[in-house]
Parts: sequence; structure tokens; C-alpha cells
Amino acid sequence: QKEVEQNSGPLSVPEGAIASLNCTYSDRGSQSFFWYRQYSGKSPELIMSIYSNGDKEDGRFTAQLNKASQYVSLLIRDSQPSDSATYLCAVNRPGNTPLVFGKGTRLSVIA
Amino acid sequence: AAGVIQSPRHLIKEKRETATLKCYPIPRHDTVYWYQQGPGQDPQFLISFYEKMQSDKGSIPDRFSAQQFSDYHSELNMSSLELGDSALYFCASSLGASGTDTQYFGPGTRLTVL
Repeated sequence: QKEVEQNSGPLSVPEGAIASLNCTYSDRGSQSFFWYRQYSGKSPELIMSIYSNGDKEDGRFTAQLNKASQYVSLLIRDSQPSDSATYLCAVNRPGNTPLVFGKGTRLSVIA
Repeated sequence: AAGVIQSPRHLIKEKRETATLKCYPIPRHDTVYWYQQGPGQDPQFLISFYEKMQSDKGSIPDRFSAQQFSDYHSELNMSSLELGDSALYFCASSLGASGTDTQYFGPGTRLTVL
């Protein structure tokens, strides 16, 4: 079992809808949680980081963390075609430690 | 804002050749990470450096080596290249002292081994 699990998708949503992306992790020692967006052939771009239980909002994006359930999610409101990309969930342990990525969820926003 | 710089952006090599990839972290960032991403795969951690010392080692082949220099830039040296080494290689940097561990990725080097 992979340490970080995501549904690979594709997840298709109509323009203007809410896209919901989910991620579970197995290492209870994980402290930091990140969502990266990656367009094909490009580098991962940081969308959100979250460190404590609850919700964190930034513009159209909301990250949710539940450490008891080992679950992280990303909501994208008012989805736009430009949001179509692969979304990578990543976690790491405390300190300068490497990121462990999920396989990513491919999101397609249909105009 | 300044970002992570990687060079070259594209590299084509023959089997058994060597390659050197360079990474220049965001100014003041003291930690550098190297990741390899094969087609359709998620990024896999190779190696990292904090304050010019190796801090973590992942699935890096023995044919690869890396170091971080006094100006904090890092180089990944790859020898005896194999077809399976064809991938995107990303460098990421973070400010270790910040405590937030946020890693920012460079644009990557696309390595093609023929």
C-alpha cells in the first residue's frame, strides 16, 4: 500500500462547480500536508499547505485536514477550465524531510 | 519573486554517458531536494541537502551522486546513464529554519537517454 493514496481520476466537473479532491496517508508521524498542482510536463506548483486540523481557505481553494482519520482534502470552488491539471497530495514528517507524494488526481473542468 | 532555477532545461544523452544537472535554490533557502518523475508517475525523492550536508537519501542509484556547494546551489551527477533514467528531474528548495517545510519546485530538467 502506498503511503499516500489518491484517486487517480479523471475527475470531471462542469465549469463553475465545486471540485473535491481527497487524500489519505498512512504515516501518523506526518506533520505537514501540501497540495500541488501540476500541468503536463511542468513542475509541481504549490496550491495550499496545512498543518493543523480543520479548514484553511485561500481564495477559491479550501484545504481540510483530519489527523485522526489521516485524511486531507482540497475543495476548488467555481472551477475553471484552467484548473484542469493533476493535483498531487504530499506529506512529510517534521524537519527538513522529503515529501511523499500520492499518485495524483487528474481533474478536468468542462466548459 | 525569485524562484528555483534549474539548468539545463532539456538534455539528451546516449546510454553509458554522464550528465550533470544544476539547481540554484531560492535566495536564503538552505535546503535542496532532488526528485525524479517518470512518465505518468509521481515525483520520487532522490536526495537532499541541508546547509551543504546530505540530510536524507531516497531511491537514488549508486550511479548518481550529488552535492551542495558553499553558495547553496546543488548539482546532481549521473553516470553510466540507462534508458530508464529518462525522466523529469526536479529540484526543490526550502528554508529549513522557517519550520514550515514548504518546498518550492524548479521548472525541472527533462533528461532523455537514447
